[in-house]
Amino acid sequence: SQTIHQWPATLVQPVGSPLSLECTVEGTSNPNLYWYRQAAGRGLQLLFYSVGIGQISSEVPQNLSASRPQDRQFILSSKKLLLSDSGFYLCAWNSGLAGGPADTQYFGPGTRLTVL
Amino acid sequence: AQKVTQAQTEISVVEKEDVTLDCVYETRDTTYYLFWYKQPPSGELVFLIRRNSFDEQNEISGRYSWNFQKSTSSFNFTITASQVVDSAVYFCALSGNQAGTALIFGKGTTLSVSS
Repeated sequence: SQTIHQWPATLVQPVGSPLSLECTVEGTSNPNLYWYRQAAGRGLQLLFYSVGIGQISSEVPQNLSASRPQDRQFILSSKKLLLSDSGFYLCAWNSGLAGGPADTQYFGPGTRLTVL
Repeated sequence: AQKVTQAQTEISVVEKEDVTLDCVYETRDTTYYLFWYKQPPSGELVFLIRRNSFDEQNEISGRYSWNFQKSTSSFNFTITASQVVDSAVYFCALSGNQAGTALIFGKGTTLSVSS
C-alpha cells in the first residue's frame, strides 16, 4: 500500500532563516505531488504541484520554492522565512497517469511551522 | 473560475443528533470531481469520498451519507447519529478532469459534537 511521509512534524524557526521541508511517497511510481499551506487553522491553499522529476508548477508567488529531485521526493524550501510563512504545510500525492482522470489526493501528516 | 463555498463556519450538536454540512461549488467544466475530507485535531486530512460529475446517485457509508445535486451545484454531507469522534473540520473540495489537477478547497466547517 502507498504511504506518504513528511518531516519534520513541527518546526520553530526565526525570521530570516532558511527552510527545508521534505515529503516522500512509498509504494507508487510517478505520482503527482502537491504542497498545500493551511494558515490560521483554516482553508488550504495550493502552493506547488509537480507531475514529474524537475517539473514544478507554482500557484502562488511568494518567497517559497519547491523541488523534486527524485520521483517520490518533494521538497519545499525558502532562503529567508517571513512571519507570514507560519502555518501547517501538507504534502499530497495522487496517481500520475497521463491523460487520466483526476485521482483522489492523499495527504501526509503535515508539518506545523512557526516563524518567530 | 472554480470555487467551493462552505457557508457554515461552525456547527455544534449533541451526540446522536443528525447534522448536515453544506457545500456549494462553481465550475465551468462538464467533467469534474467532488471530494470530502475530514481533518481531526491531529491535522492530517482524511479522505472520505470522491464523486464524479456524471454520477448523481446518493451514497451512504455507515453513518455518513452524501447528496449530490447538479441542478443546485451542491454536494452536501450528512452525519446520522453523530458521535464525539466526529468532531473535526470537514472540507469539501473540487477538481477538474485532468491528471495533475489541483484541488480547490472550501474554507471548511468545524463540527463540534458534545456528549
